[in-house]
Amino acid sequence: AQKVTQAQTEISVVEKEDVTLDCVYETRDTTYYLFWYKQPPSGELVFLIRRNSFDEQNEISGRYSWNFQKSTSSFNFTITASQVVDSAVYFCALSEAEKAAGNKLTFGGGTRVLVKP
Amino acid sequence: KAGVTQTPRYLIKTRGQQVTLSCSPISGHRSVSWYQQTPGQGLQFLFEYFSETQRNKGNFPGRFSGRQFSNSRSEMNVSTLELGDSALYLCASSGWGNSYNEQFFGPGTRLTVL
Repeated sequence: AQKVTQAQTEISVVEKEDVTLDCVYETRDTTYYLFWYKQPPSGELVFLIRRNSFDEQNEISGRYSWNFQKSTSSFNFTITASQVVDSAVYFCALSEAEKAAGNKLTFGGGTRVLVKP
Repeated sequence: KAGVTQTPRYLIKTRGQQVTLSCSPISGHRSVSWYQQTPGQGLQFLFEYFSETQRNKGNFPGRFSGRQFSNSRSEMNVSTLELGDSALYLCASSGWGNSYNEQFFGPGTRLTVL
């Protein structure tokens, strides 16, 4: 069975500070995808990034960056120079990579980020 | 391109009643998935429909059912409502190609069972 753990339940920072969100996952699948989603107070889940298990290259996209380490089953996410609009709940998620397996996301418990002005 | 839409946005029902929620996916998307979000259990997968067929099912009782129509719109039904069914129900759609499992979520339907 798949499992995603986000140990941090809430993080509070002051604007312009960097925020790193931890995510640890468990899966028996050899190929899989990892995701980060953002849920603002409005409730809608917003897709941020997707990474497949074959690609451990870490990237930066604007103020977002991620650190995928297969050896430690971790997929951490960093927001650089945080802004008040980044205040939301962030979810890490995992799915199988086989297309035939369909779409089923296993989510972590979420980390609430509060950015204070 | 319009996003995923869900109706109604809010719903109040009483125990024992049944409810039907609707989801219209992004145009061209054929996969629709449903999730339940509660403070206690978090985000849990309910089921997925693809081309009018249920392709995946989560660990929920048979009171939870769904269907998908030929235009990819999907409905979810919960019968004999219980207090614990109070939740935010999210629908997500996904398309083809390299982005086949990038799921785009609707705003959700908040169901309150009294």
